[in-house]
Amino acid sequence: DGGITQSPKYLFRKEGQNVTLSCEQNLNHDAMYWYRQDPGQGLRLIYYSQIVNDFQKGDIAEGYSVSREKKESFPLTVTSAQKNPTAFYLCASSSDSGSYNEQFFGPGTRLTVL
Amino acid sequence: QQQVKQSPQSLIVQKGGISIINCAYENTAFDYFPWYQQFPGKGPALLIAIRPDVSEKKEGRFTISFNKSAKQFSLHIMDSQPGDSATYFCAASKGAQKLVFGQGTRLTINP
Repeated sequence: DGGITQSPKYLFRKEGQNVTLSCEQNLNHDAMYWYRQDPGQGLRLIYYSQIVNDFQKGDIAEGYSVSREKKESFPLTVTSAQKNPTAFYLCASSSDSGSYNEQFFGPGTRLTVL
Repeated sequence: QQQVKQSPQSLIVQKGGISIINCAYENTAFDYFPWYQQFPGKGPALLIAIRPDVSEKKEGRFTISFNKSAKQFSLHIMDSQPGDSATYFCAASKGAQKLVFGQGTRLTINP
């Protein structure tokens, strides 16, 4: 079954803690992305990676970190420096070998700071 | 110039009616225009997409109309059903570069 998996589905964090959100894909896609979505809002790009061991900041990278050690995995760490981390986090991937960015999304992780 | 402006923010349509959501862009280098559908608590799903070499693409009840000269594209949902109630996002990109998303439209279909 091909697709993108995100875990956990729900995550609760105490203030001052770092947490890591998992994203795995078995689509053999080169590029992976992390977005943040606030209630009733659009999608804001946090980080993206087009190749293993390389990644770029998106529009709202402050307070977040990522790694891309394997093609199929792109974990996101929400650090204590992120002032308002409660949000719905979406991971996506795309092939990048084609002539356009056909991007597919995972089911999301809802992070709540207590 | 990288923005994609989407309207309206919210839309209420009667069952059986036509839902129309519009997007406008500035960057003439954009050459891929997808639409995503998102249900509450779920990830967005690719619904339909168009390249600028055609003016219209239809898949079932969903149609994208594309106006290159006006730099606008729109999603039409024919015979709208309560199950179509969701948030819809338009997007645009140049080649394989990252997508630029519109702000989303919350569509409600009244039974």
